[in-house]
Amino acid sequence: RKEVEQDPGPFNVPEGATVAFNCTYSNSASQSFFWYRQDCRKEPKLLMSVYSSGNEDGRFTAQLNRASQYISLLIRDSKLSDSATYLCVVNTQAGSYQLTFGKGTKLSVIP
Amino acid sequence: NAGVTQTPKFRVLKTGQSMTLLCAQDMNHEYMYWYRQDPGMGLRLIHYSVGEGTTAKGEVPDGYNVSRLKKQNFLLGLESAAPSQTSVYFCASSFSSDRGQTYEQYFGPGTRLTVT
Repeated sequence: RKEVEQDPGPFNVPEGATVAFNCTYSNSASQSFFWYRQDCRKEPKLLMSVYSSGNEDGRFTAQLNRASQYISLLIRDSKLSDSATYLCVVNTQAGSYQLTFGKGTKLSVIP
Repeated sequence: NAGVTQTPKFRVLKTGQSMTLLCAQDMNHEYMYWYRQDPGMGLRLIHYSVGEGTTAKGEVPDGYNVSRLKKQNFLLGLESAAPSQTSVYFCASSFSSDRGQTYEQYFGPGTRLTVT
């Protein structure tokens, strides 16, 4: 089983739609979780951390399910500017500063 | 603050040539990392450093060397470039981990390297 798995997409959605991405991770001892966004030919940038109780930042909601070892990202009211690749990121092992990056899910928001 | 900067932004090398990529950060981060990103492969860790004067191997270290002589700088060297090293190279930095908490990494803009 790969350490961090994501559906590569692409997800093509109309403006205003709600879209959800899921990610599974293999190390049950992982404690830190993030979603990054990467625009074409740009560096990854932190979108949001994922907390155990779930967290929301505007139109973005992140959830963590430790029992099933998956993380989700929900984007409501999609904008054209949301078009990017979304990377699921997990710390490699408990207490480790190293992060394991998923290969990303590509989102295209269509007018 | 400039954050994380990388030089150069682009480079074309011939097989066998050498070069050094420079990464600098002004956030006083302890940890620094070098990744490569290839299509379909995602980000892979090459080398990392947990402090000035220390370096360690990551997932794909072969063919690369690194040095961290100053806290703010992390250099990646290719001694004898090969076409397989054609990639986009990203540097990142972060605060040190604390009581199991792993902090987010901040990335530089990347260096696009082509080896012919």
